[in-house]
Amino acid sequence: QKEVEQDPGPLSVPEGAIVSLNCTYSNSAFQYFMWYRQYSRKGPELLMYTYSSGNKEDGRFTAQVDKSSKYISLFIRDSQPSDSATYLCAFQAAGNKLTFGGGTRVLVKP
Amino acid sequence: KAGVTQTPRYLIKTRGQQVTLSCSPISGHRSVSWYQQTPGQGLQFLFEYFSETQRNKGNFPGRFSGRQFSNSRSEMNVSTLELGDSALYLCASSLSTGDYGYTFGSGTRLTVV
Repeated sequence: QKEVEQDPGPLSVPEGAIVSLNCTYSNSAFQYFMWYRQYSRKGPELLMYTYSSGNKEDGRFTAQVDKSSKYISLFIRDSQPSDSATYLCAFQAAGNKLTFGGGTRVLVKP
Repeated sequence: KAGVTQTPRYLIKTRGQQVTLSCSPISGHRSVSWYQQTPGQGLQFLFEYFSETQRNKGNFPGRFSGRQFSNSRSEMNVSTLELGDSALYLCASSLSTGDYGYTFGSGTRLTVV
């Protein structure tokens, strides 16, 4: 079983729709939960991070963590064409390296 | 403030050669991590350096090595290049080791022919 599972997509949505992304993980030692956005030919950019179960909101982005189910989600409201990118979930145990999901490619069509 | 700078951006090498990639972290960041990104394997951790010492190492062969200088700049070296080493190599810096607040550079695209 992979340590992190993430659907590769592509996920295609019309402009203005809600984008829903998720990852499952198996390592109970993961304490930090992150979402990165990566545009073509660029490095990943940190969007959201959290270390507890529950929801965290930042503008149009909401990150959700359910530690009991080992499941994290990212929701993007009012999606824009500029949100078209690959979204990577990432996990970290204390003082350790980042473990990434394979990424979900998102296309927001005008 | 300046971000993480990686040089060169693109590189083409021949099998069997060696290559050195460079990373300048954000000013004040003392930890530098290296990742390899390929379509098949995604982002995989290579190693992390803090205060010139390797703190963590991923599951890569010994042909992959790195170092960090006193000014926190880091280099990674790949010797005896193989076709499978073709990838985007990403450097990330953070204030301290194990810090979740990583900032990535744009990467060096290495093609081995």
